Amino acid sequence: DQQVKQNSPSLSVQEGRISILNCDYTNSMFDYFLWYKKYPAEGPTFLISISSIKDKNEDGRFTVFLNKSAKHLSLHIVPSQPGDSAVYFCAARRNAGGTSYGKLTFGQGTILTVHP
Amino acid sequence: NAGVMQNPRHLVRRRGQEARLRCSPMKGHSHVYWYRQLPEEGLKFMVYLQKENIIDESGMPKERFSAEFPKEGPSILRIQQVVRGDSAAYFCASSPGSLRDGYTFGSGTRLTVV
Repeated sequence: DQQVKQNSPSLSVQEGRISILNCDYTNSMFDYFLWYKKYPAEGPTFLISISSIKDKNEDGRFTVFLNKSAKHLSLHIVPSQPGDSAVYFCAARRNAGGTSYGKLTFGQGTILTVHP
Repeated sequence: NAGVMQNPRHLVRRRGQEARLRCSPMKGHSHVYWYRQLPEEGLKFMVYLQKENIIDESGMPKERFSAEFPKEGPSILRIQQVVRGDSAAYFCASSPGSLRDGYTFGSGTRLTVV
């Protein structure tokens, strides 16, 4: 049961343009969402997060949008740079408190390639 | 300020052997999480530990896998009698408690079972 889905395995974008990575979820109990970036042979690196009480969070070139009614979030990178080429994972946390506090459910990832 | 340290980076084991993966969290972090990434898949939660306590092990296979985070020393993920299907990248992450800024992940241990 894939509760967090990234339906695009890959995305190719020209340098300077906008990259839009999408993520859908099915569990309405998720209350916190995160995006991670991963280079080969390295661990994921935290990028940006958003609480379910917000619909937008911005940090420099990265903006995350949350549409709760559609159970959809997206990561916008603008302008895209070649160094942004990596695998991007979205992740979600369920608001169950207690023992579920630390558990994240990850999507399958999207490979972003930014061409010079 | 060292990040999350995992060792070894690469581990090769024959079927039936034991694998021990170590994780030292960031200084000041008391929460440790283990995730597994199978080829072509995302990260799957395995276990969440605090010092000397297992908080959530809902992602751990029922047999052969165990984890600990002792009062002193690193967290250990132990896999007994490894099988080919255990081949994966195992990532450890740590946090001070709040998830506001997400976890900090280590670079992972790539386990290959031959």
